[in-house]
Amino acid sequence: EAGVAQSPRYKIIEKRQSVAFWCNPISGHATLYWYQQILGQGPKLLIQFQNNGVVDDSQLPKDRFSAERLKGVDSTLKIQPAKLEDSAVYLCASSLETVGQPQHFGDGTRLSIL
Amino acid sequence: GEDVEQSLFLSVREGDSSVINCTYTDSSSTYLYWYKQEPGAGLQLLTYIFSNMDMKQDQRLTVLLNKKDKHLSLRIADTQTGDSAIYFCAESMRQGGKLIFGQGTELSVKP
Repeated sequence: EAGVAQSPRYKIIEKRQSVAFWCNPISGHATLYWYQQILGQGPKLLIQFQNNGVVDDSQLPKDRFSAERLKGVDSTLKIQPAKLEDSAVYLCASSLETVGQPQHFGDGTRLSIL
Repeated sequence: GEDVEQSLFLSVREGDSSVINCTYTDSSSTYLYWYKQEPGAGLQLLTYIFSNMDMKQDQRLTVLLNKKDKHLSLRIADTQTGDSAIYFCAESMRQGGKLIFGQGTELSVKP
């Protein structure tokens, strides 16, 4: 089966600009996650969707980050305006259900803020 | 609170066994996972164990879970140079299923 697809793979922008990332989960996976992985650290959850509804966005900096999953399949994550501290890898993962099913990760988008 | 701790580095010789250790704090975790991350890549699921089990074996991989001490380990038998990567331990929260990751253990395998 095809894995989780993410694009772009790399993005370089200046601070205060905006950027968007796209994720296509594994077919049939109801749950989609966005994680932020800062260099040298483990991933941290930003937002979790179940179909097209938000399950957990408690760690999402809502003044600058937004995410949507309009038709319960693809998702986009946006940052506006970007700060230097947003430099990280943004990983998308999907699973069949929320609990008891392993999460499968895409290759991520590496974001550099100048 | 939610916290997962791992040692940062491990170096072994090719052919030896590697043991990567992890401790976690949330006793209500349902599943515990091991992921592998190679440079520039996402996280590859290696194996996982349900919290009511104490051992799981999958080819060269053996996972041991001590629920009383909240300690998880991953043993890789006959370690190869291709096993060099960063290994992440993660616990799955009972509420919502989000993963809490450790900071990763960098495994270096020397020929």
